[in-house]
Amino acid sequence: DVKVTQSSRYLVKRTGEKVFLECVQDMDHENMFWYRQDPGLGLRLIYFSYDVKMKEKGDIPEGYSVSREKKERFSLILESASTNQTSMYLCASSLVVQRNEKLFFGSGTQLSVL
Amino acid sequence: GNSVTQMEGPVTLSEEAFLTINCTYTATGYPSLFWYVQYPGEGLQLLLKATKADDKGSNKGFEATYRKETTSFHLEKGSVQVSDSAVYFCALSVSSGSARQLTFGSGTQLTVLP
Repeated sequence: DVKVTQSSRYLVKRTGEKVFLECVQDMDHENMFWYRQDPGLGLRLIYFSYDVKMKEKGDIPEGYSVSREKKERFSLILESASTNQTSMYLCASSLVVQRNEKLFFGSGTQLSVL
Repeated sequence: GNSVTQMEGPVTLSEEAFLTINCTYTATGYPSLFWYVQYPGEGLQLLLKATKADDKGSNKGFEATYRKETTSFHLEKGSVQVSDSAVYFCALSVSSGSARQLTFGSGTQLTVLP
């Protein structure tokens, strides 16, 4: 089974702190994604990566950056956390089969910024 | 732009009741349509999908039919179980099932009571 592991289930940080959210996948997938999930808004794509050291902005990249130094690891960075970044963060990796891309999600990190 | 509209939750049903969760979409071109499910404490997982008009996706007793004329992809199950309690997300992709192009609805919380 594909496993996408997010390092923390719950995280509490203070405004202005630098925050790292870590995600590791064990299936050698090329593609990895970071989403945030908010009530009434569904999932919104923050950043994604199709290869090591490669990153592309998603729909809501402001206030975030990412790092992909190794294929299996994709980190989301909040340079200076703000209260409006309190959210559930979901990491995913994907597998392309016959031109269809299937997503595999981690169980999420609930971040609270005080 | 592309968008997905789901019925507001939460939805509470008794075991063995009939379930419908409405989903309508707006998209350019001919999207692929998906239902994802998120069980408590877990990440999202693909429940079913349909890639062209009149296709029916089905899995675990759930069904949804791609209706181009009404731009809808309603999720149905004839007899729900307590274990179906979860959040359900409708989604579309306008690029051959590419994850980068996924647009999610806001999610519908389903609670099934014994």
